[in-house]
Amino acid sequence: EPEVTQTPSHQVTQMGQEVILRCVPISNHLYFYWYRQILGQKVEFLVSFYNNEISEKSEIFDDQFSVERPDGSNFTLKIRSTKLEDSAMYFCASSLAKNIQYFGAGTRLSVL
Amino acid sequence: KQEVTQIPAALSVPEGENLVLNCSFTDSAIYNLQWFRQDPGKGLTSLLLIQSSQREQTSGRLNASLDKSSGRSTLYIAASQPGDSATYLCAGLMEYGNKLVFGAGTILRVKS
Repeated sequence: EPEVTQTPSHQVTQMGQEVILRCVPISNHLYFYWYRQILGQKVEFLVSFYNNEISEKSEIFDDQFSVERPDGSNFTLKIRSTKLEDSAMYFCASSLAKNIQYFGAGTRLSVL
Repeated sequence: KQEVTQIPAALSVPEGENLVLNCSFTDSAIYNLQWFRQDPGKGLTSLLLIQSSQREQTSGRLNASLDKSSGRSTLYIAASQPGDSATYLCAGLMEYGNKLVFGAGTILRVKS
């Protein structure tokens, strides 16, 4: 069964460093998303991406964040200068249309 | 702004019991509602999706219902098993936009 894959599973970084989280969505899907879950809190929407541009973003998704689809298969989330409060599980998701969103296993980001 | 609430926050039941998890939302402009399962430290597994035009959706021992007018969804688990122990999340996709809005989840423990 097709699945969304995320790498790495765990990323440790120093405060102020740039990180790139990588995702390979399901191959025929057209919509791509990033969500995050801070430990003990709700899953929160960050951004959605369609037709090579951001279609929606939350207040969390400020200038420190960017997304890119550098080729036909990858979808990345870049955090330019990480802060302690960016420590969270980051989930990538994809969907064919406005229907089921399939989630990856997540990348745990630890900012020290 | 859509708010999603799940009750109870935690539930412990003996094996074999039937149980109901509740999800309520404040904005009835729901396009669909998804139920997910999350194991500790893991990703989100989609269990069921109910379109706003549907009342129920079934998969094996799981049955989900949606009542847009009252702002409620329920997930019914029949004949619970220890392997059902996990956190169950509901998430609404709004008619406007593409982001899922998540509840905080119900932590389910099924005792053998």
